[in-house]
Amino acid sequence: GAGVSQSPSNKVTEKGKDVELRCDPISGHTALYWYRQRLGQGLEFLIYFQGNSAPDKSGLPSDRFSAERTGESVSTLTIQRTQQEDSAVYLCASSLRYRRETQYFGPGTRLLVL
Amino acid sequence: GNSVTQMEGPVTLSEEAFLTINCTYTATGYPSLFWYVQYPGEGLQLLLKATKADDKGSNKGFEATYRKETTSFHLEKGSVQVSDSAVYFCALRTSGSRLTFGEGTQLTVNP
Repeated sequence: GAGVSQSPSNKVTEKGKDVELRCDPISGHTALYWYRQRLGQGLEFLIYFQGNSAPDKSGLPSDRFSAERTGESVSTLTIQRTQQEDSAVYLCASSLRYRRETQYFGPGTRLLVL
Repeated sequence: GNSVTQMEGPVTLSEEAFLTINCTYTATGYPSLFWYVQYPGEGLQLLLKATKADDKGSNKGFEATYRKETTSFHLEKGSVQVSDSAVYFCALRTSGSRLTFGEGTQLTVNP
């Protein structure tokens, strides 16, 4: 079966532009997570969805970051007015509702803000 | 808050050498502990986990024991292979859904 997929795999943008990153979770996984990995650092949690609601979005670093999810499927992470410090790999993960300790990760989107 | 500290890398070993990657944590409550691995060009994969004190997680010859008294979850393997070359991340989860990760340790195994 298909794993978690993310698109685009790479994105180069200019400072000040908006970007949208997409995540397709594993079918049947109601929980979805976004993380960020800056160069040389560990993963930082951004937001967690259960279905299409987000009970934990405390990791979003600023109001330029937002995310939404359609039903129990695709999620989009949007970064407005990108800054150079937003450059990172953005990882999406999904899990079963009652097996949240086992998260399956996508390959990530590498974002470079010039 | 929660935090995970891993030994700094990179780590370079010869094939069949013994591997230890140290991991210590700070957490409120009773966390579950994980090791994730990222092979070159691939996404993060769960390697092993332990959910309570004194549990031992194991997979693919790797082991880690949940030590509450030392707040540690060190990863070990008795004989590494070239194919084990990857970045290894220690992580924990408490009552919420987020995982808190360490910074990762790059392992290179030479033939």
